[in-house]
Amino acid sequence: GAVVSQHPSRVICKSGTSVKIECRSLDFQATTMFWYRQFPKQSLMLMATSNEGSKATYEQGVEKDKFLINHASLTLSTLTVTSAHPEDSSFYICSVREVNEKLFFGSGTQLSVL
Amino acid sequence: QKEVEQDPGPLSVPEGAIVSLNCTYSNSAFQYFMWYRQYSRKGPELLMYTYSSGNKEDGRFTAQVDKSSKYISLFIRDSQPSDSATYLCALGSNYKLTFGKGTLLTVNP
Repeated sequence: GAVVSQHPSRVICKSGTSVKIECRSLDFQATTMFWYRQFPKQSLMLMATSNEGSKATYEQGVEKDKFLINHASLTLSTLTVTSAHPEDSSFYICSVREVNEKLFFGSGTQLSVL
Repeated sequence: QKEVEQDPGPLSVPEGAIVSLNCTYSNSAFQYFMWYRQYSRKGPELLMYTYSSGNKEDGRFTAQVDKSSKYISLFIRDSQPSDSATYLCALGSNYKLTFGKGTLLTVNP
């Protein structure tokens, strides 16, 4: 399946700062990538769908101005958490969908906001 | 009623045991069914994918789907300590996946 690289794996930042997370599809040209969020002992919650060359589609309740998504190429999508607060602390995971609907995930980013 | 129900466990078994993990669902529109394995602080890894009722086997893993009962299962034979992880079911239709909460499995040596 598709190989997805996500960076960084862990980031600690101060409240009010912005954090950028990168997601790269290494062997698959992905017109669409997905960003998920996962709290401890909870399931994956879809935050937004990243579309190459156009605006991302956000799920209900997700603030688009807080979670900025850029999908500038077929292999790279970025998620920027702006003005991060402690409640934004979570595990963020990106994924790529192959044509047969299978999702392949990056290794995830643990964000801790102090 | 949630769309997908999965017992979070935790489930603890001895090495070599047969493990049964299950999900039930309410939406009959789901067309394809997957199982993912997630190690702590890592992204989920696709284990099994199927779109029809019946069994699908891959090594020590067997995925079972019963669409009439809206019930899916993952069986792990000869479980190993390296199988210790969280297992998530994922059900899809119309390009959208819905995940279960995951079951935490520990296989004790």
